[in-house]
Parts: sequence; structure tokens; C-alpha cells
Amino acid sequence: KAGVTQTPRYLIKTRGQQVTLSCSPISGHRSVSWYQQTPGQGLQFLFEYFSETQRNKGNFPGRFSGRQFSNSRSEMNVSTLELGDSALYLCASSRERYYEQYFGPGTRLTVT
Amino acid sequence: QKEVEQDPGPLSVPEGAIVSLNCTYSNSAFQYFMWYRQYSRKGPELLMYTYSSGNKEDGRFTAQVDKSSKYISLFIRDSQPSDSATYLCAMSVAGGTSYGKLTFGQGTILTVHP
Repeated sequence: KAGVTQTPRYLIKTRGQQVTLSCSPISGHRSVSWYQQTPGQGLQFLFEYFSETQRNKGNFPGRFSGRQFSNSRSEMNVSTLELGDSALYLCASSRERYYEQYFGPGTRLTVT
Repeated sequence: QKEVEQDPGPLSVPEGAIVSLNCTYSNSAFQYFMWYRQYSRKGPELLMYTYSSGNKEDGRFTAQVDKSSKYISLFIRDSQPSDSATYLCAMSVAGGTSYGKLTFGQGTILTVHP
């Protein structure tokens, strides 16, 4: 069974730009969660989608948004990028037991 | 104060040693406890998850949960150089409005040298 895939794997953007990251969950998984990983803050929860609905959101500014499509694929968008947004962005998918999450390889975003 | 505290290490052990990794937590609503392994430039890989207090064994790995002390551990027996990675503990609340949210420790960097 294929794992979680994320595209692109690496991205370099300039301050003020916006970016869209994509995540394809494991087949049959309907829940997708997004996390930001930085050396200073570790892994922090951004939001979770299930059946195209955002069910939970972490403490991030409104510049961070996401959506989920009917095939469970998900995208996250960051608008007006700041230097502090440089991080590894990870998505994870799960079935009903959302504590059993399987992560993708992540997208490494660098903001210059 | 962070909800989940994990000793960042780094931890360096010889091959074959028993490794003990630990996390403490403050949120008594946490009911599910997970251990992830993350290799450099990779996403976290789920090793084990537990629900109740006590021990759960899977091959060379044993997860231990003590809810009364708010303390969890992961033991690795007969450690191998391939176990060298960052180990992350994670926790979640059951249901309610906490859908999809795992709260992670900072991670412990482990190196097993031949």
C-alpha cells in the first residue's frame, strides 16, 4: 500500500509571496492533519480535515489555511510568507483512530 | 510550560545496549500515547501506540505508560546502529474537539555506535 505523499518536497519562496502544498493520504484514510516542524518549536499542529471539513485548528495565524477534496487529498496554503514560516511541513493521514497517524516525508519550505 | 516534556539528549550508546527514552506530561486528558521515529530528512514513522497504563511490547521495543505519574517510556533492547534517529513521543486526547491533534515532545536524538 502506498504511503502518504507530499509535493513538492522542497520549495524556496520570497517574503510576501504565497505557497500551496499538497498531500495525498493513504488510500482509505479520510482524515488528514498538518503539522509544522521547526528546530525551536518542534512539531506543532496546524489543522485537521475529515470529509472535506476542518474539524480542528491549532494556534496559527489566519495566513495558514487548508482544504480537503472529495478524494481526501488535501492542500495547505500560506499567504504573505514571513521568514519565520521556514520549516518542514508535514501531513499525516489516519482512518477513524486519528491518534494512529502516518506521516508523509514533508515539504521543506525556505523563505528568503 | 509545555504540555509534553522530553529530554532532548543527545543520547549516545554502544551497539547492543538497552535504551530508555522518556516523556512527562501535564495534561491529564491525554489518553493515547505514541512513539515515533524520525530519520534525518524524513517524516516521523509510527513505532507504537498505547492507551492504558502498563507495558506494550513489539519486538525489541517496549512502551510503558504510568498515568498516575504522567510519565511514559520507550525501551529499545539490543540497540542497533540503524536505530540511530530522533525519537518523538506524542499524545492525544480522546474525541471531543481534539480531532486529529497530536501533541509532541521535542524529540530525543539517539546515536548507536558500533
